[in-house]
Amino acid sequence: EADIYQTPRYLVIGTGKKITLECSQTMGHDKMYWYQQDPGMELHLIHYSYGVNSTEKGDLSSESTVSRIRTEHFPLTLESARPSHTSQYLCASRQGQMMGYTFGSGTRLTVV
Amino acid sequence: GESVGLHLPTLSVQEGDNSIINCAYSNSASDYFIWYKQESGKGPQFIIDIRSNMDKRQGQRVTVLLNKTVKHLSLQIAATQPGDSAVYFCAETYNFNKFYFGSGTKLNVKP
Repeated sequence: EADIYQTPRYLVIGTGKKITLECSQTMGHDKMYWYQQDPGMELHLIHYSYGVNSTEKGDLSSESTVSRIRTEHFPLTLESARPSHTSQYLCASRQGQMMGYTFGSGTRLTVV
Repeated sequence: GESVGLHLPTLSVQEGDNSIINCAYSNSASDYFIWYKQESGKGPQFIIDIRSNMDKRQGQRVTVLLNKTVKHLSLQIAATQPGDSAVYFCAETYNFNKFYFGSGTKLNVKP
């Protein structure tokens, strides 16, 4: 049973709207990540955090922003959604160097 | 960024047969690798990992092989079952902070 939760699971929204994708984990992990994934395609890192008040941009340029005010919470915000933002967004966390990620179930975003 | 790629985008196997999924990586400094399984509508799940000081690691029905000479990683699944049908990703890291993922191989298990 995953201890990392993403909401909403599915979201259809109009162009220009502001949206926040939620991610919470109950494992006390310091490191959290956001990946963008098109269906069946590789995962692209867009943001990550090593702890509270720490945020970094990933390798894929993104118009989104993140915040890390609490250890368990790592929301991702799009100020003005565009059709090019249509994708699946996966949140993950990990603790320790030799540990892999624990992923959430993802948010599938469609911008119309 | 790093380049981690898979040789075959789709693999079809008969139930009960063994499956082999391959992965190539480009960074010779990578020293930790993980295989993930992603079922439809779900996030990736950890299957097995291996460090660069090993060339083989076994789990339950799965084996990962690492060939550092040719920068190649493979995942072997024994007695493949319908529940193994999913997309499989390899991921690698050289600094233990970020992982780089390949594009995935879809495994279809035929009954």
